[in-house]
Amino acid sequence: GAGVSQTPSNKVTEKGKYVELRCDPISGHTALYWYRQSLGQGPEFLIYFQGTGAADDSGLPNDRFFAVRPEGSVSTLKIQRTERGDSAVYLCASSLTVEGHSYTFGSGTRLTVV
Amino acid sequence: DQQVKQNSPSLSVQEGRISILNCDYTNSMFDYFLWYKKYPAEGPTFLISISSIKDKNEDGRFTVFLNKSAKHLSLHIVPSQPGDSAVYFCAASEYGGSQGNLIFGKGTKLSVKP
Repeated sequence: GAGVSQTPSNKVTEKGKYVELRCDPISGHTALYWYRQSLGQGPEFLIYFQGTGAADDSGLPNDRFFAVRPEGSVSTLKIQRTERGDSAVYLCASSLTVEGHSYTFGSGTRLTVV
Repeated sequence: DQQVKQNSPSLSVQEGRISILNCDYTNSMFDYFLWYKKYPAEGPTFLISISSIKDKNEDGRFTVFLNKSAKHLSLHIVPSQPGDSAVYFCAASEYGGSQGNLIFGKGTKLSVKP
């Protein structure tokens, strides 16, 4: 597609439930990133992929969070046993290579845990 | 502890005048800096970047200045236009632009009044 697509755009879930957030990067982009933006804060790094492998997952807050990119294109961020503190906008970005950081962000998935 | 600080949550400027957005950082290992712009309900958009080997980078109406000794950078927009109204994020990396982990500030909301 022309841009980075994230689905769903909004997700409301109950505390304790499992959620999956999907990211479709720009075709041909090898690097893919997940960030989380809480209210009043800047984006916070979670994980990035170079191809199929997670090159750096140091930003994942705990083991309830996991992300995959099995074919080097679409990525899914998975959150188990959601907590109210997980409520945020989850942003995905992609870039042709990992250099330069001028990557393209999607519009995000707004996750609300009630 | 915030490594990238944008101490002004908001800034209001008259159309045609200069907008100056400021950013301070604490990590002396940061060597690559970026500015992103974000409109409501959209992902951040890359604006301009600067490497630590430079003290100025210019792109049209946008100029970024870097003062390494003061650990301070600023974004100048001249002349400001109503369409520049957005939230501006400063971001930094300590990998010379070669890896995905960016540290963002909390953002400054710029309002340009006609």
